[in-house]
Amino acid sequence: AQKVTQAQTEISVVEKEDVTLDCVYETRDTTYYLFWYKQPPSGELVFLIRRNSFDEQNEISGRYSWNFQKSTSSFNFTITASQVVDSAVYFCALSEASRGTDKLIFGTGTRLQVFP
Amino acid sequence: EAQVTQNPRYLITVTGKKLTVTCSQNMNHEYMSWYRQDPGLGLRQIYYSMNVEVTDKGDVPEGYKVSRKEKRNFPLILESPSPNQTSLYFCASSYRTSGYNEQFFGPGTRLTVL
Repeated sequence: AQKVTQAQTEISVVEKEDVTLDCVYETRDTTYYLFWYKQPPSGELVFLIRRNSFDEQNEISGRYSWNFQKSTSSFNFTITASQVVDSAVYFCALSEASRGTDKLIFGTGTRLQVFP
Repeated sequence: EAQVTQNPRYLITVTGKKLTVTCSQNMNHEYMSWYRQDPGLGLRQIYYSMNVEVTDKGDVPEGYKVSRKEKRNFPLILESPSPNQTSLYFCASSYRTSGYNEQFFGPGTRLTVL
């Protein structure tokens, strides 16, 4: 069965600390896509990244980096030198190609609080 | 500007009073869907539509209806709202139905049913 697990409900850090948000997924599909979304206090969902199952290269975008490991079914997200503006709820999500739809299966989210 | 709009953004209503949350996208997207977000549960899909006049149930469809008469609009209808439908609702759209496409989300509608 398809599932996304974000075991960390809430994380608190002090500004400039590095923080990693964990995401573990389950799927029987060989072709699937993984996403991260950010939900700031204002409530909207902001797309951060998409990864397909055939591309295990890690990705870096500024202070953000993502580590995709198929061997452990994980797609972790690291924020380097965190800032107060990074405070938000972060969702990891999975989409399976076999469904023929763009349905997203979301994790329960991790609330990140960055204190000055 | 490419966007998904939802109205209203906030709504407080009473049990049993029918309501409609509208969703509209200006990107000519084929796929549209509704999600609800609840604490500790993440977002769960309510209904989706692959194209005009084609809709299907998601994971939590009970108590909801949808329609897709035009490509750009996908309203969510609560015929007889109940307190357990108090939630944050998101409409989303995307170009195709392959699982690959980034979904564009609306700003959300916060619904409270008393």
